[in-house]
Amino acid sequence: ETGVTQTPRHLVMGMTNKKSLKCEQHLGHNAMYWYKQSAKKPLELMFVYNFKEQTENNSVPSRFSPECPNSSHLFLHLHTLQPEDSALYLCASSQEGTRAYEQYFGPGTRLTVT
Amino acid sequence: DQQVKQNSPSLSVQEGRISILNCDYTNSMFDYFLWYKKYPAEGPTFLISISSIKDKNEDGRFTVFLNKSAKHLSLHIVPSQPGDSAVYFCAASGSSNTGKLIFGQGTTLQVKP
Repeated sequence: ETGVTQTPRHLVMGMTNKKSLKCEQHLGHNAMYWYKQSAKKPLELMFVYNFKEQTENNSVPSRFSPECPNSSHLFLHLHTLQPEDSALYLCASSQEGTRAYEQYFGPGTRLTVT
Repeated sequence: DQQVKQNSPSLSVQEGRISILNCDYTNSMFDYFLWYKKYPAEGPTFLISISSIKDKNEDGRFTVFLNKSAKHLSLHIVPSQPGDSAVYFCAASGSSNTGKLIFGQGTTLQVKP
């Protein structure tokens, strides 16, 4: 596998379910990100991890819980979501330093909350 | 309040002609500006960037222009090709070593053969 992978690609869950999104990067980067893209809205940064430490939480509700066990893996744990949380969730990675803005994105997980 | 705006949701151009995608921003503290391209069912891919100390950056068929006084940047694609059909996102960053990006809503470009 190369680049940034995300699983699952599609997820349908009820409001009482608990699920997790997984992201893995094979680029040797040390920063990882979660973004949310809702219909007709810009990509919204949710969380930033640098060297496994969370450095940014963009006022995300606690029903979204990120986990970064190492620099290559990032999870987003979901519980008691609302229908308005239905969106495309994108993971990205970059190299902390002079080109941290050059981010490599995974294909995303299309989440539907019923 | 949106700090980065792309006011044109879509653009259609003929193959071989120039495509011009526009982006406006409000925060004068932004230091780097980027363009990303996204095909359906794929994540965005980095296309080109420009530092706030420059007013132009060119990479092959792609050129980004920055007008700091107007808080405006644009992406020129010359000549446009059908494979350029995608959604283009403008983004801004406070510095080169932070990954905190603010994205615009995107502009869908269609290049007709």
